[in-house]
Amino acid sequence: GQSLEQPSEVTAVEGAIVQINCTYQTSGFYGLSWYQQHDGGAPTFLSYNALDGLEETGRFSSFLSRSDSYGYLLLQELQMKDSASYFCAVRDGAAGNMLTFGGGTRLMVKP
Amino acid sequence: KAGVTQTPRYLIKTRGQQVTLSCSPISGHRSVSWYQQTPGQGLQFLFEYFSETQRNKGNFPGRFSGRQFSNSRSEMNVSTLELGDSALYLCASSLDRENVLTFGAGSRLTVL
Repeated sequence: GQSLEQPSEVTAVEGAIVQINCTYQTSGFYGLSWYQQHDGGAPTFLSYNALDGLEETGRFSSFLSRSDSYGYLLLQELQMKDSASYFCAVRDGAAGNMLTFGGGTRLMVKP
Repeated sequence: KAGVTQTPRYLIKTRGQQVTLSCSPISGHRSVSWYQQTPGQGLQFLFEYFSETQRNKGNFPGRFSGRQFSNSRSEMNVSTLELGDSALYLCASSLDRENVLTFGAGSRLTVL
């Protein structure tokens, strides 16, 4: 089976940088994804890492280390609108390619 | 193009009843997945369908079932509802098994 661990809550101030970590245990790892969900909204795709290293998309970056079964989402120049829940997800090839989500990290950005 | 459409958006049922939720994927998307979201459990995988075939099923009791039609629209059914079934049920579509899922707004089910 697979499991993902991420912090339940993170607080940061506007303009700061925040890192949301995700560790996973799978037996057939395909890649790590990140999704953002605002209160009352649907999850939306942010990024995907299949290989080790950093992927940058504007203010957001995502990192993966397959040897450490670890990844993180980095949010720079935080804005109030970044207050949301962030989920990491892995697709496990040994579990029928099922996409499994972590419990989510609630990010609160304060002025 | 239109996004993923889920109906109904909100519904209230009582214990023992059954419910059917509908999901219309993005046009051209053939893969549909369902997730249950509750405050304490995050997003729990229910099923995945592709071309009318169930490719995967999560760890949920047999009361939870689903199907996909030839036009890729999908339905899920929960029978003999329990209080613990109260949740947001999210549907997501993709062309196939990419890692980019597009989610619908969800169907919020309350069981009294």
